Amino acid sequence: KAGVTQTPRYLIKTRGQQVTLSCSPISGHRSVSWYQQTPGQGLQFLFEYFSETQRNKGNFPGRFSGRQFSNSRSEMNVSTLELGDSALYLCASSSDRYTGELFFGEGSRLTVL
Amino acid sequence: GQQVMQIPQYQHVQEGEDFTTYCNSSTTLSNIQWYKQRPGGHPVFLIQLVKSGEVKKQKRLTFQFGEAKKNSSLHITATQTTDVGTYFCAGGANNNDMRFGAGTRLTVKP
Repeated sequence: KAGVTQTPRYLIKTRGQQVTLSCSPISGHRSVSWYQQTPGQGLQFLFEYFSETQRNKGNFPGRFSGRQFSNSRSEMNVSTLELGDSALYLCASSSDRYTGELFFGEGSRLTVL
Repeated sequence: GQQVMQIPQYQHVQEGEDFTTYCNSSTTLSNIQWYKQRPGGHPVFLIQLVKSGEVKKQKRLTFQFGEAKKNSSLHITATQTTDVGTYFCAGGANNNDMRFGAGTRLTVKP
């Protein structure tokens, strides 16, 4: 079956702009999590959605938001971009968020100039 | 809140040497997972441990979960160049989300 699909794969924005990233989970997976990855910082948890509800949220400012649709596809939005937001944003889907294996997408690499 | 610490941050070994990365949590975990991320790739699931003191093996890889369920380790015997990448542990606790360690980046000199 198809894996986790993230779009766009690469994008360049300037400070102050906003960006929306999309994630299509594996068919049948209802949990979608988002992570920010920067060199030396590992994977920082942003938030997790299950059946259109945000179940958990990491320690990121309110500029970072997300949502999940009825078909389990998820989007995350970052408003008022800052240089420090440059990172690889990874989406992971799971059939069971708390104990199940995470399946990661290839990621969306955001560069903020 | 739940924190997962992982050491070392970097490890460079000669091919054929062993490698170990350690993961420690500030809270008791319900389960721990290990992932491998190849350079330029995305994390890929390796294994999950759930029982206190559990040990699992995958060929040259040995995974352990501590008795107190607060620490874990991944040991690779006789490393190969194909083992290159960053190894992450991720801990889950009390229905909180899986939190990742910072990862150990392994390089192997042929």
